[in-house]
Amino acid sequence: EPEVTQTPSHQVTQMGQEVILRCVPISNHLYFYWYRQILGQKVEFLVSFYNNEISEKSEIFDDQFSVERPDGSNFTLKIRSTKLEDSAMYFCASKEEQSSNQPQHFGDGTRLSIL
Amino acid sequence: RKEVEQDPGPFNVPEGATVAFNCTYSNSASQSFFWYRQDCRKEPKLLMSVYSSGNEDGRFTAQLNRASQYISLLIRDSKLSDSATYLCAVLFSGGYNKLIFGAGTRLAVHP
Repeated sequence: EPEVTQTPSHQVTQMGQEVILRCVPISNHLYFYWYRQILGQKVEFLVSFYNNEISEKSEIFDDQFSVERPDGSNFTLKIRSTKLEDSAMYFCASKEEQSSNQPQHFGDGTRLSIL
Repeated sequence: RKEVEQDPGPFNVPEGATVAFNCTYSNSASQSFFWYRQDCRKEPKLLMSVYSSGNEDGRFTAQLNRASQYISLLIRDSKLSDSATYLCAVLFSGGYNKLIFGAGTRLAVHP
């Protein structure tokens, strides 16, 4: 069964450094998402991406965050200057089409630890 | 009122038991509903979509009550491997289909 894959599985970074989290969505999917989950809290929406542009973003997704689809397969989340509170699991998800009945499929996440 | 609310549990049940979880949502215009399962420090995995007419997949049954704005998940004949956190996810109308998750209900099945 096709999967969403994410790298790295764990990223440890000093506060203030830039990080790039990578995702390879399922190949025929057109809608891409980033979510995060702080330890012990719920999964929170960050951003959705379609047709090479951001379609929606949450309040969490401030100017320090950006997303990109640099080629036909990768979907990246960049945090420009990390803060301690950015420590969380970051999940990428993708969906085949816009139909609301289509579920989103999640990658296995990147654990980001900011020191 | 929170957008999506779940009883955090934990629900501690013996193997073979039947257990039910509820989830309430605040936006009456919500379009679609899903149950995901999350194991400790892992990604959410789709368990089932929830359809208006209710749907069943093996030991799992999902129901939707739009009038009361809640969805439910019933697990019959619980297995040890069902131990996990069950996340309710709601798709609100508009936008490009962001999912709003509940905080999850923890289930522990014991021998």
